[in-house]
Amino acid sequence: NAGVMQNPRHLVRRRGQEARLRCSPVKGHSHVYWYRQLPEEGLKFMVYLQKENIIDESGMPKERFSAEFPKEGPSILRIQQVVRGDSAAYFCASSLQEGNTEAFFGQGTRLTVV
Amino acid sequence: AQSVTQLGSHVSVSEGALVLLRCNYSSSVPPYLFWYVQYPNQGLQLLLKYTSAATLVKGINGFEAEFKKSETSFHLTKPSAHMSDAAEYFCAVSESGAGSYQLTFGKGTKLSVIP
Repeated sequence: NAGVMQNPRHLVRRRGQEARLRCSPVKGHSHVYWYRQLPEEGLKFMVYLQKENIIDESGMPKERFSAEFPKEGPSILRIQQVVRGDSAAYFCASSLQEGNTEAFFGQGTRLTVV
Repeated sequence: AQSVTQLGSHVSVSEGALVLLRCNYSSSVPPYLFWYVQYPNQGLQLLLKYTSAATLVKGINGFEAEFKKSETSFHLTKPSAHMSDAAEYFCAVSESGAGSYQLTFGKGTKLSVIP
């Protein structure tokens, strides 16, 4: 799973700022998944993307959150106007084919909103 | 809808003792089941998975789990705990088939190993 690279590992933002979280999948993987881990909670599915397409964003908050996976470059999870409740660990996973049976997770980005 | 319940947020065992971490699931369709391990400030590493083949699944680091449909359980075991097993363990479920990409996780169980 070391092949999925997330950066930054730690991100501190003031309330109202924007947070950009990056995920570079395993080389050759075209399926990316984002999960959020709140303190003392398990991971919650946010969004599933393929190259240039959002497949399932049913777990994304309706406002302020967006995700993309462009043809070139990493997948980006963007949080606008962050609030304290956005503080969490955000994990990205990637797979060669659809489905999590062979998905690999990154080390996560720990976002702290102050 | 699917859900996972992990009994016991913290489990302590002595080094060399049996490790048993409990996981029960709810799923309206045949499930895929997973156990992941998370070391401090690290990502999740897949320990093992059940995808409708053998019900007794062997994973890495000596762990295994048994899928029991009648009990809707997928408990994780290891015969002899090692200090390096201290970590947080997450059970997860997904649908088989088209919905398999979306994992639903339990809240996790922190395992402590006492020397």
